[in-house]
Amino acid sequence: RKEVEQDPGPFNVPEGATVAFNCTYSNSASQSFFWYRQDCRKEPKLLMSVYSSGNEDGRFTAQLNRASQYISLLIRDSKLSDSATYLCVVNKDYGGSQGNLIFGKGTKLSVKP
Amino acid sequence: NAGVTQTPKFQVLKTGQSMTLQCAQDMNHEYMSWYRQDPGMGLRLIHYSVGAGITDQGEVPNGYNVSRSTTEDFPLRLLSAAPSQTSVYFCASSYSLILATEAFFGQGTRLTVV
Repeated sequence: RKEVEQDPGPFNVPEGATVAFNCTYSNSASQSFFWYRQDCRKEPKLLMSVYSSGNEDGRFTAQLNRASQYISLLIRDSKLSDSATYLCVVNKDYGGSQGNLIFGKGTKLSVKP
Repeated sequence: NAGVTQTPKFQVLKTGQSMTLQCAQDMNHEYMSWYRQDPGMGLRLIHYSVGAGITDQGEVPNGYNVSRSTTEDFPLRLLSAAPSQTSVYFCASSYSLILATEAFFGQGTRLTVV
């Protein structure tokens, strides 16, 4: 099983649609979970952290299921500006530091008018 | 507030040449790292550092060296460039060593080895 696995897409949706991305991770010891957004030819930027209780930030909702080692991101009322690649990220212990991040390959979203 | 600054933004090297990718952060972060991003592969960790004088290998360290003489700077050296090192390189820094926290990325260096 890959460390972090995502559906690469692309997801092509109309404006206003609701879209959901899923991600699975293999390391049950992972403690920190994130969704990053990466625009074309740009650096990744944090979209939101993912908490066990689930969390929401405006049109974005993230969920974590530790038992199934599964993370999700829901985007409601999609905007053209949401078009980007969404990266699922978990931490991994390398040599005792929990600070290392393992990135999924990303799911590409394209929102059309 | 500059954040994480990488130079150069673009570079073309010939096989066998060496070079150093520069990375500096002004947020006083202890943790810094280098990733490479290749099509279809996602971001892969090359080396990381948990503080000045301390570095360690990530997932794909071969062909690269790092050093951390100050908190601010974390250069990545390509010893003898190979076409397989053609990639986009990102430097990142984050605050916490204990738990993973938000990573701030530089704008990337697009490297082509011919």
